[in-house]
Amino acid sequence: GENVEQHPSTLSVQEGDSAVIKCTYSDSASNYFPWYKQELGKRPQLIIDIRSNVGEKKDQRIAVTLNKTAKHFSLHITETQPEDSAVYFCAAMETGSARQLTFGSGTQLTVLP
Amino acid sequence: GAVVSQHPSWVICKSGTSVKIECRSLDFQATTMFWYRQFPKQSLMLMATSNEGSKATYEQGVEKDKFLINHASLTLSTLTVTSAHPEDSSFYICSARVGQSYGYTFGSGTRLTVV
Repeated sequence: GENVEQHPSTLSVQEGDSAVIKCTYSDSASNYFPWYKQELGKRPQLIIDIRSNVGEKKDQRIAVTLNKTAKHFSLHITETQPEDSAVYFCAAMETGSARQLTFGSGTQLTVLP
Repeated sequence: GAVVSQHPSWVICKSGTSVKIECRSLDFQATTMFWYRQFPKQSLMLMATSNEGSKATYEQGVEKDKFLINHASLTLSTLTVTSAHPEDSSFYICSARVGQSYGYTFGSGTRLTVV
């Protein structure tokens, strides 16, 4: 099955700086890569996603890049704000009949004011 | 948008008892429901995949006789933790894919504490 690795596990940045979180996946057939933000005790919230036929996608301060050849994708947050502090998870969708998501281990992002 | 309603949001039970968690898709039909377990400061780990009208598929290491999943209708899937033990204390969350789209919607999660 799919295996997703995520780095770093913790990340602290100053407010206004950029944050980058990286993930690698193992199954070259995976074709959908969402990023989720999860606050303590809450459900994961989709913040951006990318499909395998696209190399980059941007939504205001958030962008995701995908390198299919290297099987890695990254989340970029610019002009970070304290409210960006949360745990971020990457995920990859397997292309089997169930199309289940496999999650990375998570990154605790702390934006220091 | 598509909503999955999950209940209860939290539950405390005694060791040895059973707890049922419900997930309902409110405005769409969820053919498939994914059940995850999340321990503190850890990732979401898939426990099982339930399909309406058929037996659930369990991930390796998940006891199917302990975690009973029922998906009897297109709008309701339930997870029953039987003979609960303190080590079953965790955050349980369901998720469904919306139609044939790539989008997934998550329930609000259930915090289970076994004392």
